[in-house]
Amino acid sequence: GENVEQHPSTLSVQEGDSAVIKCTYSDSASNYFPWYKQELGKGPQLIIDIRSNVGEKKDQRIAVTLNKTAKHFSLHITETQPEDSAVYFCAASTGGFKTIFGAGTRLFVKA
Amino acid sequence: NAGVTQTPKFRILKIGQSMTLQCTQDMNHNYMYWYRQDPGMGLKLIYYSVGAGITDKGEVPNGYNVSRSTTEDFPLRLELAAPSQTSVYFCASSHGTGGSSNQPQHFGDGTRLSIL
Repeated sequence: GENVEQHPSTLSVQEGDSAVIKCTYSDSASNYFPWYKQELGKGPQLIIDIRSNVGEKKDQRIAVTLNKTAKHFSLHITETQPEDSAVYFCAASTGGFKTIFGAGTRLFVKA
Repeated sequence: NAGVTQTPKFRILKIGQSMTLQCTQDMNHNYMYWYRQDPGMGLKLIYYSVGAGITDKGEVPNGYNVSRSTTEDFPLRLELAAPSQTSVYFCASSHGTGGSSNQPQHFGDGTRLSIL
């Protein structure tokens, strides 16, 4: 069935360094790829998304890249700050009502 | 503008009890969803609704029921609680048109449910 694999499961970086989280999806019909950030005790919040007709999207310190041929997409956070510490989820959707989520990456940013 | 509001935030149930998890949104979104989140796992879709009076099963619907009598409210019902239903439950909503839900989902802060 459809699957989204996310790596790594845990990532620890020094403040100011970059962090990269990678996801692979299985359904080639997927055309919408959101990224969510979940802080402790809260629900996931959208931080950036990308659609299949775009290869890269950037919003300040956050960028997402998409390789449809390889069915890979990645989240890049530059100049990390302690408040970036959270769990990040990637997801893929084909446009129906089903969004497949990755298992999450717990990011620690050390001050 | 409160977004998506879930109640209660925490609940402990005994096996076999029933309860309703409440969810309401004030963004006039037509699509609403219920997910469960187990430790170390992503979100699994339980049920979804594309509008008032219309609901459908997601990946893991067994043991749950939903209703959607208004655009704002989408309650989730557990009839006979089982230990396997211990989880964190998230309600979400999104704007959708033309049968497509490729829009960001807005999540509530979750209900943490333990069944003992």
